[in-house]
Amino acid sequence: DAGVTQSPTHLIKTRGQQVTLRCSPKSGHDTVSWYQQALGQGPQFIFQYYEEEERQRGNFPDRFSGHQFPNYSSELNVNALLLGDSALYLCASSQLAGAGWQPQHFGDGTRLSIL
Amino acid sequence: DQQVKQNSPSLSVQEGRISILNCDYTNSMFDYFLWYKKYPAEGPTFLISISSIKDKNEDGRFTVFLNKSAKHLSLHIVPSQPGDSAVYFCAASAEGNQFYFGTGTSLTVIP
Repeated sequence: DAGVTQSPTHLIKTRGQQVTLRCSPKSGHDTVSWYQQALGQGPQFIFQYYEEEERQRGNFPDRFSGHQFPNYSSELNVNALLLGDSALYLCASSQLAGAGWQPQHFGDGTRLSIL
Repeated sequence: DQQVKQNSPSLSVQEGRISILNCDYTNSMFDYFLWYKKYPAEGPTFLISISSIKDKNEDGRFTVFLNKSAKHLSLHIVPSQPGDSAVYFCAASAEGNQFYFGTGTSLTVIP
């Protein structure tokens, strides 16, 4: 049973460029959340997708956008990259249906470096 | 505004002894709390959770305690093992909404 998979593992971009990160959720999960983890910090919530719609959003600018596909996989897009966007980007999946308290399962992340 | 705080960046414990990791929060609406463990170059791994209707949850060597009046939770690891050496994050959520994470505590278990 595959867990959460993210690609690519590492990525180097320059300021002003655009980037797309990808995530496949754990089998049976229908909800995908994205987090940004800066060095020495905990993960910061970017947004969550469910049924191909953005369900919740954290305090991130519109340069951060996402998408969820019918197979529940998801993409995170960041436009006009800034040096401060350098971070580990984590994808987490969970099962919203049935609600209640559900832990999220994380992928190993994409390390994004902005030069 | 940091709603979940882990004030100890690091902790060292001898193998076999108890490790106690602490976490404080400010939002009284939080009703679900989790602990994650993170090894280098890997994503966080879910460890244990507790809902606000409980004050203790135990899973093997790991026990989480919740003190709602103090807005404080702690993770106890007994006995500590070298493989427990990792960064531990606490996280909290209100009514199934987004999770807020602390900044992590790096635990080193000395053989």
